[in-house]
Amino acid sequence: SAVISQKPSRDICQRGTSLTIQCQVDSQVTMMFWYRQQPGQSLTLIATANQGSEATYESGFVIDKFPISRPNLTFSTLTVSNMSPEDSSIYLCSGGDPRYTIYFGEGSWLTVV
Amino acid sequence: QQQVKQSPQSLIVQKGGIPIINCAYENTAFDYFPWYQQFPGKGPALLIAIRPDVSEKKEGRFTISFNKSAKQFSLHIMDSQPGDSATYFCAASLYFSGTYKYIFGTGTRLKVLA
Repeated sequence: SAVISQKPSRDICQRGTSLTIQCQVDSQVTMMFWYRQQPGQSLTLIATANQGSEATYESGFVIDKFPISRPNLTFSTLTVSNMSPEDSSIYLCSGGDPRYTIYFGEGSWLTVV
Repeated sequence: QQQVKQSPQSLIVQKGGIPIINCAYENTAFDYFPWYQQFPGKGPALLIAIRPDVSEKKEGRFTISFNKSAKQFSLHIMDSQPGDSATYFCAASLYFSGTYKYIFGTGTRLKVLA
């Protein structure tokens, strides 16, 4: 298994600012992903974080809004840029091998005011 | 079709009851089907998973039943307890556009009454 730590766990941000969420895995993982979850809703995949190269984004998500880095096999960051209230959500980092199992962090609860 | 349809949306059972959560899919390329449990304020945690070559898998009080021909799978919780009250998500793993990824169901909010 893998233990995934995210920070910040919670933040309140001003409209128009940007926030970077950090994700640390306690062991090397094949793949890392970033999801968004509205309270009470399902998980929506934002992108796959690729080590040393540009992330692969899902339809509806773009690099300018959600730049992602993955400098090594255990660490990734997600930035939410130019935030608006619609970006208020839970952002979840996950890691593992989706042919088998992926593990999730506790999430970063973001409120934009 | 990359959707996984999950039902019911919510479920209330008495302690000791056997809640059943169902998921269905269309794409036969899905090849791994995990279930996740999520408590309020926490990230999803893997509960149990199954591959399509197996019809049933048990881990403790949790059982997955898999019907490959019907493209359906379900989670059964035996002797449910109030501590099982959580949101449950089914998922399916798919190889698409050169990578694997999970597609999640819409979730089922379970409440077990004491």
